[in-house]
Amino acid sequence: EIVLTQSPGTLSLSPGERATLSCWASQSLTSRYLAWYQQKPGQAPRLLIYGASSRATGIPDRFSGSGSGTDFTLTINGLEPEDFAVYYCQQYDTSPNTFGQGTKLEIK
Amino acid sequence: QVLLVESGGGVVQPARSLRLSCAASAFTFSSHAMHWVRQAPGKGLEWVGFISYDGSNIYYGDSVKGRFSISRDRSKNTLYLQMTSLRPEDTAIYYCARAGGYSLAYPLDSWGQGTLVTVSS
Repeated sequence: EIVLTQSPGTLSLSPGERATLSCWASQSLTSRYLAWYQQKPGQAPRLLIYGASSRATGIPDRFSGSGSGTDFTLTINGLEPEDFAVYYCQQYDTSPNTFGQGTKLEIK
Repeated sequence: QVLLVESGGGVVQPARSLRLSCAASAFTFSSHAMHWVRQAPGKGLEWVGFISYDGSNIYYGDSVKGRFSISRDRSKNTLYLQMTSLRPEDTAIYYCARAGGYSLAYPLDSWGQGTLVTVSS
């Protein structure tokens, strides 16, 4: 099983700042099948990024993904109030699919 | 717009069984793989399992393997999760999610709102 470790656990920033969220995989994701999801309280997760760097339909371009192998990053430029939420990475390279434990992005 | 509606959740005693359903609409159900994902109260996301577009490939997470079973009915556009030998640690919101394509190699691009399963005596 591929274990995903997200860092930091909690990130405190102000609107307008840049957020950098990390996700490390215990094994290389050779096909870059790494996705990022956003979840707000009481809501289902929403796909943001797939294939490590492709934005899902309707996702603003302030969200970007990068990385390969075992090291992946989600960057949010110019934080908007609606961006404060929990973010999860997920690998769909192999079964079992796995999620990271999440990063909570909170308002400073 | 893709719509996924889960049902069948509720309170169930340990060791009992429960079947969840996920009604799909507004897309070609038979062309997409589907997943179940759960989230225990206040916790993160846990992948439960997957079924390919035609049901020929089914995979499960280690914590539910041998107890849970995923199936799909093309004629009813419905995904199922049969849960047996339920444990208190299975208490969670259960989400069905659509894969972006026919196999495991696609992200989860649409999610239902979830159904709560509580395992308690």
